[in-house]
Amino acid sequence: DADVTQTPRNRITKTGKRIMLECSQTKGHDRMYWYRQDPGLGLRLIYYSFDVKDINKGEISDGYSVSRQAQAKFSLSLESAIPNQTALYFCATSESGGGSTDTQYFGPGTRLTVL
Amino acid sequence: GESVGLHLPTLSVQEGDNSIINCAYSNSASDYFIWYKQESGKGPQFIIDIRSNMDKRQGQRVTVLLNKTVKHLSLQIAATQPGDSAVYFCAESRPGTYKYIFGTGTRLKVLA
Repeated sequence: DADVTQTPRNRITKTGKRIMLECSQTKGHDRMYWYRQDPGLGLRLIYYSFDVKDINKGEISDGYSVSRQAQAKFSLSLESAIPNQTALYFCATSESGGGSTDTQYFGPGTRLTVL
Repeated sequence: GESVGLHLPTLSVQEGDNSIINCAYSNSASDYFIWYKQESGKGPQFIIDIRSNMDKRQGQRVTVLLNKTVKHLSLQIAATQPGDSAVYFCAESRPGTYKYIFGTGTRLKVLA
């Protein structure tokens, strides 16, 4: 979805390096999410944010941190990258209509390889 | 690359035929379900959703069926086209959690 952009699209790094993945959206949504996708597994939630002052851990937050710089921007950092963090990373957004029925819209993804 | 989608079940369908992709969801309390399509090198794309108070919902060439008794969701694609080739996965959400649980997906291959 062109309304949700991610940079970089591809990144190769070495073990121990600090990496930042960025997400921007023009949908005007309050809620933003970071997921990782691994072969044979469903998308897994790393962190989510319901507004600029609200940050929550997902199911696999260890080794990651996030920053919600503005309503439209949500970045994911790997403080010290390790090879098992090699994956596809997706940012998603949703409206804040309340309840569990807020459709999430995904960015194009970042392919991260940690050597 | 095609790293996403390795080891997934694959459904091969002749162009023009109908496709049915199935998903078993995990929690009887889930009240919202979505189907996503993911093409190679792209992010998941919303196709259609359904709430638990419905059994069926139709979109353009797609229909989602929900069977709450057996916790089963299906996506039907009519007159399958080459552009439908992708990985399809379902997601479920429970009241008050704001979180989705995603299935692992099914690869749809459309044969010319």
